[in-house]
Amino acid sequence: SQTIHQWPATLVQPVGSPLSLECTVEGTSNPNLYWYRQAAGRGLQLLFYSVGIGQISSEVPQNLSASRPQDRQFILSSKKLLLSDSGFYLCAWSAGGTLEAFFGQGTRLTVV
Amino acid sequence: KQEVTQIPAALSVPEGENLVLNCSFTDSAIYNLQWFRQDPGKGLTSLLLIQSSQREQTSGRLNASLDKSSGRSTLYIAASQPGDSATYLCAALRSTSNTGKLIFGQGTTLQVKP
Repeated sequence: SQTIHQWPATLVQPVGSPLSLECTVEGTSNPNLYWYRQAAGRGLQLLFYSVGIGQISSEVPQNLSASRPQDRQFILSSKKLLLSDSGFYLCAWSAGGTLEAFFGQGTRLTVV
Repeated sequence: KQEVTQIPAALSVPEGENLVLNCSFTDSAIYNLQWFRQDPGKGLTSLLLIQSSQREQTSGRLNASLDKSSGRSTLYIAASQPGDSATYLCAALRSTSNTGKLIFGQGTTLQVKP
């Protein structure tokens, strides 16, 4: 069966520090991968998606970047965090004919 | 541009009640519609997925329906239990998308009182 792992679960970082969140998927090959952000009281916003290794599409201009160094690995990064980067970050994958999406457990990022 | 709306934003019911959560979307050209559950501080759990050619899907006490012509989907929960308390999100996938990008509603937060 397929599983998705996302870490860390919580993170407190000072303004201006770098960020690296990692997501890996097991049990499937060539999945579509996604990073979403869920701000307090708001819906989920798609940040990045990837349909293959090295292929990254950005949905909104921001202080963050994403990379896909391996087929089932998706990384969210920032060189210098802003207060506004605080939020709940969710990684997801989909594949196959139905494109059903499956989500990780999320990372709560607090920038102080 | 696809917009997804969920009403009400919050709902409180006594245990045992049958209830319906509503989801509406503006663009009927969808590939599928997916319902998720989110517990506080947790990720999303996929509950049901309805493909555009289907009208409903069932899993246990949950039944989701899809009416593309009216731009609506409903999630029916039978015999609600306190363990059903969570936020329920619906998300639509555009029919022209081969990337799986979902458009989410804001969610309905359900509280089932013992």
